[in-house]
This record gives sequence, structure tokens and C-alpha cells, in this order.
Amino acid sequence: QKEVEQNSGPLSVPEGAIASLNCTYSDRGSQSFFWYRQYSGKSPELIMFIYSNGDKEDGRFTAQLNKASQYVSLLIRDSQPSDSATYLCAGGSNFGNEKLTFGTGTRLTIIP
Amino acid sequence: GAVVSQHPSRVICKSGTSVKIECRSLDFQATTMFWYRQFPKQSLMLMATSNEGSKATYEQGVEKDKFLINHASLTLSTLTVTSAHPEDSSFYICSAAVDTQYFGPGTRLTVL
Repeated sequence: QKEVEQNSGPLSVPEGAIASLNCTYSDRGSQSFFWYRQYSGKSPELIMFIYSNGDKEDGRFTAQLNKASQYVSLLIRDSQPSDSATYLCAGGSNFGNEKLTFGTGTRLTIIP
Repeated sequence: GAVVSQHPSRVICKSGTSVKIECRSLDFQATTMFWYRQFPKQSLMLMATSNEGSKATYEQGVEKDKFLINHASLTLSTLTVTSAHPEDSSFYICSAAVDTQYFGPGTRLTVL
């Protein structure tokens, strides 16, 4: 069974610091990985996706993928209180138009 | 771009009634749409995958006769919860896929 594992948290990070969110996956056939942010009572919104080994940067966010270790991470630099949310990691065998396997999410709190 | 809408955003109904939820991709065509359910403080649970012009594929344990899905066009999918009961009260979220999955804002269903 395909699994995506995340530490449920809560993870508390001081404002301005770097928040590091981690995710591991069991299916070596997974090719694409996605990070979604979900505020309480709202639906998930896409932050980033990554397909290739290495780092991918977008503003304050950096996604990292290591297929050999089956590990995906999301770094948030200069954390802001508005970054406080639950972050969902998801993996897929194709480029997102097939069903994704979601982790249970990590709850992140940025402390002012 | 990649905007997905859902209607209604919130519905309260009596036990035994049927509720229809619409999911639309507003600025792109999606061959595949997904329906999820999320209970409080839990992660997303995929209910079914919907492809335009064909029957939906339901996940194990999801009653296809209770949760009717119609994907009439490349921009519209509907979920009908038939004979709803209090245990069906949940947050229902659709997503539309092109290069990745983009989520609608969700529909909060409360069955009295």
C-alpha cells in the first residue's frame, strides 16, 4: 500500500526563522510530489510541486526531493504568522492528473 | 489561473434528503476531477475519481449508490449525497486536475 508519512506536529517556529517540514514515502514508483497548505476550515491550496531530485525554490519556499532516500521536504524561510497552517505532502505516479496519496499533514505554528 | 469553484459552500439539510454539490473548473478544462471528504482534524480522504464522459472510480469502502458522481463536461462534476444521514456530515472538497490538482473551496454539509 502506498503511504506518505508526515510528523503530525504541532511544529512551533519563531517568526523570522526557517520552518522545516518533512515527508517520507513508501512507493518508489512515485514521480511527482506536492505540498499543499490548509488553513483551518478551508480547502488545501497548492504551494509547490517537485519532480526532480534536488531543490526547487519559489520565493520563501524551497522544496527538496531525494528519491534515493524517498524523502521530500519543504523549507519556509522568514516564517510569518500567516504561514501558520497544516501542510499536506502528497505523492503521485504521474504529474498530478492521477490520484495522489496524501500524508496526514503537519500542523505548523509561527510564534510572533 | 487554475480556479475551481464549488457550490454550495454550506448546506444544512434534514436526514433522508439528497444534496447535490457542483464543482467547476473556471478557467481550464479538466479531464479528471476528484472528490474528497474531510472530517474534523483528519486528513483528506479520497472518495472517487471522476473522468469526463465515463463512470467514476470509487475508493474502497465508498458506497457508489449513495454518493452519485456525474462528470458531464470538462468543466463540471457533481456529487449527489443521496438519503443523507447525520454521519454524512463532513467537509466535501473537489479538485480538478491538469498539471496538478487544484482544489475547490469545499462544501460543508450538515445533516440534522
